[in-house]
Amino acid sequence: EIVLTQSPGTLSLSPGERATLSCRASQSVSSSMYLAWYQQKPGQAPRLLISGASSRASGIPDRFSGSGSGTDFSLTINRVEPEDFAVYYCQAYGASRWTFGQGTKVEIK
Amino acid sequence: EVQLLESGGGLVQPGGSLRLSCAASGFTFTNYAMSWVRQAPGKGLEWVSLISVSGDRTYYADSVKGRFTISRDTSKNTLYLQMSSLRADDTAIYYCAKTMATIYFDSWGQGTLVTVSS
Repeated sequence: EIVLTQSPGTLSLSPGERATLSCRASQSVSSSMYLAWYQQKPGQAPRLLISGASSRASGIPDRFSGSGSGTDFSLTINRVEPEDFAVYYCQAYGASRWTFGQGTKVEIK
Repeated sequence: EVQLLESGGGLVQPGGSLRLSCAASGFTFTNYAMSWVRQAPGKGLEWVSLISVSGDRTYYADSVKGRFTISRDTSKNTLYLQMSSLRADDTAIYYCAKTMATIYFDSWGQGTLVTVSS
């Protein structure tokens, strides 16, 4: 089973700054198609941001971008907006298992 | 618009059973795999179970295998999760999720809370 480790645990930023979130897999994700990112705000269900490591989901602003392959993936938020403060999770598929990272909290500095 | 509406959560004693339902609308239910994902209070997301498009293949996290059963009723556009031998560590919000390409979760319900406690 793929274990995903996200870093940092918490990212403190001011609006307008850039956020870079990391997701490292314990073994290679066999296809970049198998890596996704989600955003979750307090009291809400998660929302899909990125699929296939780099494809934005419908309605997701272009300040969100994803990249990576193999074992190292990242989510970048250019010029963080007030509504972007939330918890972000990466998720991978492999060998009939679907796993999530532990999450990165992006908080207001 | 995709809508997923979970129901059936509540308080149950350890060792008890509960059946969750997820009513789906706004998309062709028979074209997508479906999943359950849970979130313990203050914790992260944990995938629980997935059922294939046709319903003939099911998958479970090791933590629930042998205790939970996922199923779907295409005539009712409804997904189910039958949970038995419940334990305190099953306490969580349970989300129903439409699963794209059997890889990622592109739409989520608002969740239903299951509390296992005596």
